[in-house]
Formats: sequence, C-alpha cells, structure tokens
Amino acid sequence: GAGVSQSPSNKVTEKGKDVELRCDPISGHTALYWYRQRLGQGLEFLIYFQGNSAPDKSGLPSDRFSAERTGESVSTLTIQRTQQEDSAVYLCASSSDREYEKLFFGSGTQLSVL
Amino acid sequence: GESVGLHLPTLSVQEGDNSIINCAYSNSASDYFIWYKQESGKGPQFIIDIRSNMDKRQGQRVTVLLNKTVKHLSLQIAATQPGDSAVYFCAENRGATNKLIFGTGTLLAVQP
Repeated sequence: GAGVSQSPSNKVTEKGKDVELRCDPISGHTALYWYRQRLGQGLEFLIYFQGNSAPDKSGLPSDRFSAERTGESVSTLTIQRTQQEDSAVYLCASSSDREYEKLFFGSGTQLSVL
Repeated sequence: GESVGLHLPTLSVQEGDNSIINCAYSNSASDYFIWYKQESGKGPQFIIDIRSNMDKRQGQRVTVLLNKTVKHLSLQIAATQPGDSAVYFCAENRGATNKLIFGTGTLLAVQP
C-alpha cells in the first residue's frame, strides 16, 4: 500500500483480555517500529524489527507485551491480560534501508481498556 | 520505555506570523534529528530532518536550526497557516541504536 496501515483503528476491551494489534508496513521497508502514545504525551519506544528479528525490544513495558514479524512484512503486537494502564494509541512505523532513520508512521490503534 | 515530559507546551500565533518551536535534546552523541507534525487522530507526519554535521536546513516554509553547543533544536515555520495547527515533535537518533527518541511535543495553535 501507499503508507503504513494499522488495524483495528479502535479497540475497546475488558481488563484481563488479550488483544492483538496489526501493522502492515510500507512495501519493501525492512525496519519496523512500535511506539506507544499516552494521551497528551510523546511517543514511547517499544520495539524495533530489522527484517523478522527484533534487535531492540528494550521498550516493552512488561512480559505481557510481545511482538512478532513475519515475511519481513506484517507485524503483530500482542498484549496479554490487559490493564487499564495499557490504554493508549499504539503507533507503528517503518523505514527503508536507504533512509533507515526516517520513520513513516501509521495512524495508530486507539486501545481502551475498561 | 523512553519518553520525555508530562505536560504539553502550547504556542499560540496569529495567522501569517512566523512560528518558532524549540526542543532541547539530552545526548551529545545524537547525530540525526527529525521534526514530526501530528494532527488530531493521525500518526506523526515527517516535516524535515537534519544531521549533526549541519547547522541549518531549509524546506518549504520550514527551517530547522541545530545548535550542538547547547543541544538545542528549533523549527521555524514561515507565514503560519491554520492548517499548521498540530502537535510538533522533535526526535533524535542516538546512533548506537536504530530508534528515534521523541520529545514531549509542542501544541501549535494558529489563530485566524
């Protein structure tokens, strides 16, 4: 596609449920990133993929958070046993080999944990 | 995770005026800087970037200035328009890791 696509755009879940958030990066982009943005705040780094490997997962807040990437394309961010503090916008970004520092972002998934 | 700040500074300007949004970064080893614009309900959109071997870079209606001595970055928007109203984030790449660290953001409000 033309840009980074994320789904769903909105997700409402109950505390304790698991959720999966999906990211389709720009075609051909080898690097993929997940960020979290709480209301009125900046972007908090979660994890970075180069190809299907995650050389930096230092931002994942707890072991309830995990992510995978397959086919050097789609990535899924999974949050298990969701808590109210997980409510935020989850943003995915991708970048190319040629301009790897220039991230292109999707519109995000707004997660609300009730 | 890494992020900075709890409160969102606000800059209010009149349409047609020039805007200057400032950002302080913390790591002198950072070698790449980038400005993003984020409109409500959307993801951040690239505006302009600059490498540490430059002091200034110009785009269309925007200029980024880098002062490495005081670790300060600024974004200048000429002839600000209502469509420029958004939150603006600076971000730095610290080189050793391939990730951008974002600042708190500044809300730019353009008054007609």
